[in-house]
Amino acid sequence: GAGVSQSPRYKVTKRGQDVTLRCDPISSHATLYWYQQALGQGPEFLTYFNYEAQPDKSGLPSDRFSAERPEGSISTLTIQRTEQRDSAMYRCASSLALGLGGRNEQFFGPGTRLTVL
Amino acid sequence: DAKTTQPPSMDCAEGRAANLPCNHSTISGNEYVYWYRQIHSQGPQYIIHGLKNNETNEMASLIITEDRKSSTLILPHATLRDTAVYYCIVRVGNGNTGKLIFGQGTTLQVKP
Repeated sequence: GAGVSQSPRYKVTKRGQDVTLRCDPISSHATLYWYQQALGQGPEFLTYFNYEAQPDKSGLPSDRFSAERPEGSISTLTIQRTEQRDSAMYRCASSLALGLGGRNEQFFGPGTRLTVL
Repeated sequence: DAKTTQPPSMDCAEGRAANLPCNHSTISGNEYVYWYRQIHSQGPQYIIHGLKNNETNEMASLIITEDRKSSTLILPHATLRDTAVYYCIVRVGNGNTGKLIFGQGTTLQVKP
């Protein structure tokens, strides 16, 4: 596609419900990242994929958070038993590949604004 | 990855150069300096990066000191559309993860 897309753009849910967010990266990009951004703060790394592999989950806040990229393209981020503190903007980014040296620009999607009531 | 320090906010007059400083005194020899910006509620956007030498592209210039402990992003002719939060990030270019660690950034306000 022309850029990174995410859906839904907005999600309101009740505490305790599960939510799944979707990311469509740029089609030629091998690497995909998920970030969480609280209001007024910079994005914080959650996890990333290199094709289907998920080498780093170190940023996931708890075991309620999980991510998948089964075919190395589209990715989903699932939050189980949502809590109010999970309310944030969730951003997806993709880049061409790892190991390209300095230029490894990440292209960000518009984000999904999650509100947990 | 090395930590960066930026001023929380800066103002700049429209049409003038905006010079945004960043300190990264613990930078390692294989770490690059990257700049991203985030306009309002949009996703972050790559601006420029460098290792040792000064760099220039269509958006900005990056000046890195000889000891690499600090750098300055220069927007030569700031416009109102350059109002944004600017993030200075240092990380290994060939690193295994490529993840970006954003700090608080500098909020640049360009005024008419």
